[in-house]
Amino acid sequence: SAVISQKPSRDICQRGTSLTIQCQVDSQVTMMFWYRQQPGQSLTLIATANQGSEATYESGFVIDKFPISRPNLTFSTLTVSNMSPEDSSIYLCSVEDLIDSMEQFFGPGTRLTVL
Amino acid sequence: GQNIDQPTEMTATEGAIVQINCTYQTSGFNGLFWYQQHAGEAPTFLSYNVLDGLEEKGRFSSFLSRSKGYSYLLLKELQMKDSASYLCALGGATNKLIFGTGTLLAVQP
Repeated sequence: SAVISQKPSRDICQRGTSLTIQCQVDSQVTMMFWYRQQPGQSLTLIATANQGSEATYESGFVIDKFPISRPNLTFSTLTVSNMSPEDSSIYLCSVEDLIDSMEQFFGPGTRLTVL
Repeated sequence: GQNIDQPTEMTATEGAIVQINCTYQTSGFNGLFWYQQHAGEAPTFLSYNVLDGLEEKGRFSSFLSRSKGYSYLLLKELQMKDSASYLCALGGATNKLIFGTGTLLAVQP
């Protein structure tokens, strides 16, 4: 399976600021996704990061709040804009497996706390 | 929309067998997936089912019945390290995953 890294691993931010999270994969993958996991909750899909075009957002998530970049097949960023305490979550990227595209693997996650 | 339900918590004994159920209501999906998540860690892939029936992977098995809107994950020979959250998810045409509520399993000695 691909090796996925995320930066930063955790951060504490002030209300009203923005944070950009990076996801790096050690091989080229077609599909990359961004998820959010709020405290004590399951995972919620934010968007699909599309290489060469705008991300596809799920209901309840908008580009102005969560802009996403996907400049190539190994890298993506998610920005959490104008943060509020409700944005405190773990943010995870995931990619499809190189051999069996039905399988998805997750990065280690970024733990964000907004004060 | 999609509704995916799992029991919130379960407790089982080391060495025993436990079955974690997942029921869903959806208009369609490609596959049903099971993930394990230890506290403070990212989810790790366990198994998936595309067709009805049982898929076995060592101590873990997953079952799917599309007609009944039902899946389960079976864990055999439970070990203390199996204490974790278990998440079922529906996979769509573009491989995006919609997760259930998750089941927190506690394995006791």
